[in-house]
Amino acid sequence: AQSVTQPDIHITVSEGASLELRCNYSYGATPYLFWYVQSPGQGLQLLLKYFSGDTLVQGIKGFEAEFKRSQSSFNLRKPSVHWSDAAEYFCAVFDQGGSEKLVFGKGTKLTVNP
Amino acid sequence: DTGVSQDPRHKITKRGQNVTFRCDPISEHNRLYWYRQTLGQGPEFLTYFQNEAQLEKSRLLSDRFSAERPKGSFSTLEIQRTEQGDSAMYLCASSFSEVGEAFFGQGTRLTVV
Repeated sequence: AQSVTQPDIHITVSEGASLELRCNYSYGATPYLFWYVQSPGQGLQLLLKYFSGDTLVQGIKGFEAEFKRSQSSFNLRKPSVHWSDAAEYFCAVFDQGGSEKLVFGKGTKLTVNP
Repeated sequence: DTGVSQDPRHKITKRGQNVTFRCDPISEHNRLYWYRQTLGQGPEFLTYFQNEAQLEKSRLLSDRFSAERPKGSFSTLEIQRTEQGDSAMYLCASSFSEVGEAFFGQGTRLTVV
């Protein structure tokens, strides 16, 4: 079965520091990959997506992610974190092989220190 | 169109009562998904519709759960005889195609007391 692993449950960074959130997926074919962000008590907002082509994808709010097939990874990065980036981040893979749905990781909670 | 709308945003109910949630997707979207999210977890798939047809239900969706999407427009999720373990955030999402870029509503938080 397809799965997504986010190894870091909680990450704390200082405002202005760089950020990398890790995501590993298990999927046999070329995956469709997504990063979503969720503020407390809110729904999920799409940050960026990868379907094919350039392995470095740009998203909203200054985020980017790099698809590395050899490592089965799709890590999210931001060069300089703002206090408003504090939220929970979810990596997801779209299961195309029959059960057509998003499969999510357990999320990484980001805390930003002033 | 302002996105996916869910109603109510919060629901507190007594154990054993029935509850119904509504989701209004983005109007041109033909796919509609229901997910459940508990504290500290990612969203877990419950069911999805392609237009009015319910194409898949997760094993998480016990017989007490039922979902409908009449005429391929809004959807309802009903939970009968609620249990404390049903307490969660119920998220609805819609998409234009099967490719998976789903847009989520703000969710309905259910508390069963």
